[in-house]
Amino acid sequence: DAGVTQSPTHLIKTRGQHVTLRCSPISGHKSVSWYQQVLGQGPQFIFQYYEKEERGRGNFPDRFSARQFPNYSSELNVNALLLGDSALYLCASSQLAGARNIQYFGAGTRLSVL
Amino acid sequence: LAKTTQPISMDSYEGQEVNITCSHNNIATNDYITWYQQFPSQGPRFIIQGYKTKVTNEVASLFIPADRKSSTLSLPRVSLSDTAVYYCLVVPNTNAGKSTFGDGTTLTVKP
Repeated sequence: DAGVTQSPTHLIKTRGQHVTLRCSPISGHKSVSWYQQVLGQGPQFIFQYYEKEERGRGNFPDRFSARQFPNYSSELNVNALLLGDSALYLCASSQLAGARNIQYFGAGTRLSVL
Repeated sequence: LAKTTQPISMDSYEGQEVNITCSHNNIATNDYITWYQQFPSQGPRFIIQGYKTKVTNEVASLFIPADRKSSTLSLPRVSLSDTAVYYCLVVPNTNAGKSTFGDGTTLTVKP
C-alpha cells in the first residue's frame, strides 16, 4: 500500500508569494495533520483535520490555512510568505483522531523562501 | 499539552543497548506516549507507543513507570543505521494530531 504522499517535494518561492502544499493520506485514513519543521528543531503542529473538519490548530498566524477534501486528501496554504517560513512541511495521516491512532508521516515538502 | 524533555544527544557503539529517557511531568490521565525516529530529510517514522508499564515490539521496548512522568525507549543491539533523531511525544487522547514534538535526541552509533 502507498504511504502518505506529499507534493511537491521541493519548492522555491520569494517573499510575499503564496504557496499550496498537497497531501494524500494512506488509504482508509480519515485524519490528516500538518507540521512545520525548521532545521535543527522538532516538528511543530499546524493543523489537524478529521472528516473534513478542523480538529486542532497550532500557534501559527492566519496566513496559514488548510482544508480537507471528501477523498480525505488535504492542502496547506500559506499566504504572504516570509523568510522564516522556510522549512520542511510534513503531513501525517491516521485512521481516526484519537491518541491510539498512530500517525504516519510523508517525506515532506521542502519550502525555501528567498 | 504536556512538554517533554530529552537529552540533546547520545553516543553509542554497534551492538550495544541504548536507553533514551524522556520526562513528561505534566502528562494527563488519558495521554499516550509515542516515540518516533527521523532520518535527515525524511518524515518521522513510528517506533512504539504505550500507556503504562512495558511495551515491546520487533524493534524496541518502552518502559513507563507507574507515575507515567517519564518513559524510556530501549533499542537492543544498535547498528550504524540506527543513527537518527529520536522524538518522545505525549499524545492527547482527544486529538492525536495535535502532538507536541520536542527537539529530540540525536543518537550517533559508532563502529
